[in-house]
Amino acid sequence: QVQLQESGPGLVKPSETLSLTCTVSGGSISSYYWSWIRQPPGKGLEWIGYIYYSGSTNYNPSLKSRVTISVDTSKNQFSLKLSSVTAADTAVYYCARTPIWFREGDYYYYMDVWGKGTTVTVSS
Amino acid sequence: EIVLTQSPGTLSLSPGERATLSCRASQSVSSSYLAWYQQKPGQAPRLLIYGASSRATGIPDRFSGSGSGTDFTLTISRLEPEDFAVYYCQQYGSSRGYTFGQGTKLEIK
Repeated sequence: QVQLQESGPGLVKPSETLSLTCTVSGGSISSYYWSWIRQPPGKGLEWIGYIYYSGSTNYNPSLKSRVTISVDTSKNQFSLKLSSVTAADTAVYYCARTPIWFREGDYYYYMDVWGKGTTVTVSS
Repeated sequence: EIVLTQSPGTLSLSPGERATLSCRASQSVSSSYLAWYQQKPGQAPRLLIYGASSRATGIPDRFSGSGSGTDFTLTISRLEPEDFAVYYCQQYGSSRGYTFGQGTKLEIK
């Protein structure tokens, strides 16, 4: 079955750029949307954005100015860059498969396969 | 912007009891846009319900979702020890993308 694995530095300095990669195994990255979600310590979930395998993106407006999500279909990977980080960006970062599909007049939106998450701390 | 408010914040029940978790939206939400997740400590969220009432693959039938408009409910018919966790509802909006409720912690009484 499809599995996702996040990778990247666990420590980032303030004002620098956070970079993470999600590797998809057990299935193709094609024909799906792929999201990044984060969870600050002890808090709830925040969607960061998604990318379609073709490269089209949609970002959370509150983070849009600092976020770039890209995809490399040849490697079955997609990546997150978050610029100008501060301590408020300290969180567990998850990647997730994000099916968006149409049935009987309705679109469906959810995240059905998640990576285990990676902790990123912003500190000097 | 649609805000999801979950209640109660914490629910204390015993194994075998029925759990009813609420998710209220600040504006009407299409049922197909509403999902529920379970998260245990140190683990990623797990999809339970999508489209407000459809169980995800492999989810036991003691989990059920219902509701429409602004009021949605996740029901666990008979609690098993492994069901004690935090539960989140999620919706999709064209302006802000995916948003989550603040979560309900289901704890053992």
